Amino acid sequence: GQNIDQPTEMTATEGAIVQINCTYQTSGFNGLFWYQQHAGEAPTFLSYNVLDGLEEKGRFSSFLSRSKGYSYLLLKELQMKDSASYLCAVRPNQAGTALIFGKGTTLSVSS
Amino acid sequence: DTAVSQTPKYLVTQMGNDKSIKCEQNLGHDTMYWYKQDSKKFLKIMFSYNNKELIINETVPNRFSPKSPDKAHLNLHINSLELGDSAVYFCASSRRELGYNSPLHFGNGTRLTVT
Repeated sequence: GQNIDQPTEMTATEGAIVQINCTYQTSGFNGLFWYQQHAGEAPTFLSYNVLDGLEEKGRFSSFLSRSKGYSYLLLKELQMKDSASYLCAVRPNQAGTALIFGKGTTLSVSS
Repeated sequence: DTAVSQTPKYLVTQMGNDKSIKCEQNLGHDTMYWYKQDSKKFLKIMFSYNNKELIINETVPNRFSPKSPDKAHLNLHINSLELGDSAVYFCASSRRELGYNSPLHFGNGTRLTVT
């Protein structure tokens, strides 16, 4: 089966750094994706990791450890607009097949 | 604009009715998907089509029937609607030939409410 776990909710303040963790156990692995979803909107792609290590993209970074089945999304210099749900997803099979999503982490950023 | 577009955005209907949701993408992608997002925000795959052929059909009641007339369109028809079908349905697409790192691009969702 497929199992992807992430915390349900997190809170942080503007300007801070927050780390959202994701652990996965899937039948196969061809990459891990992070998506951002604002309330009432579509999920939008943030990052992709397939090799161990850190991928940095502006204020957002994503880390992967395949041996541990673990990833995190790091958000720096938090802004109010970063309040959203963050979805961890795994592509378990070959390219073109569906992503399996975790239940998402709702991040609330306060001033 | 290049995008994944789905209609309608909102759909309110009564139990027992039949309804359809349409999806179109102009990104030149060859794979399309339907996801269901429940009230707890959990996104669950329902169907996946590649070049008009069904490649994933998760455990979904057979009241749900996808139809892909061409690579750019994937519609979802739902028969005999039930209260538990109330959710947001997202269409998405990706390009298989780009490889494993090809992300999914999502439409804006259709909020279905069954009363």
